[in-house]
Amino acid sequence: GAVVSQHPSRVICKSGTSVKIECRSLDFQATTMFWYRQFPKQSLMLMATSNEGSKATYEQGVEKDKFLINHASLTLSTLTVTSAHPEDSSFYICSAREGAGAGEKLFFGSGTQLSVL
Amino acid sequence: DAKTTQPPSMDCAEGRAANLPCNHSTISGNEYVYWYRQIHSQGPQYIIHGLKNNETNEMASLIITEDRKSSTLTLPHATLRDTAVYYCIVRVGAGGSYIPTFGRGTSLIVHP
Repeated sequence: GAVVSQHPSRVICKSGTSVKIECRSLDFQATTMFWYRQFPKQSLMLMATSNEGSKATYEQGVEKDKFLINHASLTLSTLTVTSAHPEDSSFYICSAREGAGAGEKLFFGSGTQLSVL
Repeated sequence: DAKTTQPPSMDCAEGRAANLPCNHSTISGNEYVYWYRQIHSQGPQYIIHGLKNNETNEMASLIITEDRKSSTLTLPHATLRDTAVYYCIVRVGAGGSYIPTFGRGTSLIVHP
């Protein structure tokens, strides 16, 4: 299947700093990517839809000024957690849509565990 | 997109078939059924999807009832590595505005 690479896999930062997470589709072009966060023992919560060349669409309750999303190319989307605080500590996962119509599938990165001290 | 209902947990003996049910009674005629799984501390993995015909691939089989209101994912010979949370979701087949959201899924534990 298609491969989505997410980096870094784990990051520890101090409160108040910003952290950038990269999501790359390695062998296909992804017009649309999605960003999720996941707390322990809970399901994936959709944060935003990232569209190449346009502004991201954020889910209700997600602060767009805090979680900056850039999708500048068909293979790269980035999520920047600005001025991170301990409550932002979570598992962040990206996914990319591959194919269309009947053949459409989502492929996911391996996730980024963010710990804010 | 239609809502899905799955049992919160199941267990299965290694080497036996694991049959995971999903209820999607409000599914529309153009909505596909998708299955993904998430092994602990990893990103989810695509397994299989279908519209109304039964589907099989190297990982699993998907049986969708004739009225399409429910489906069953079957792992024919479960191994310990199949221990994961399995998510059943439905989506409109036209792509575009589809927003993939996940419920709580079924936590499958495969034991020796």
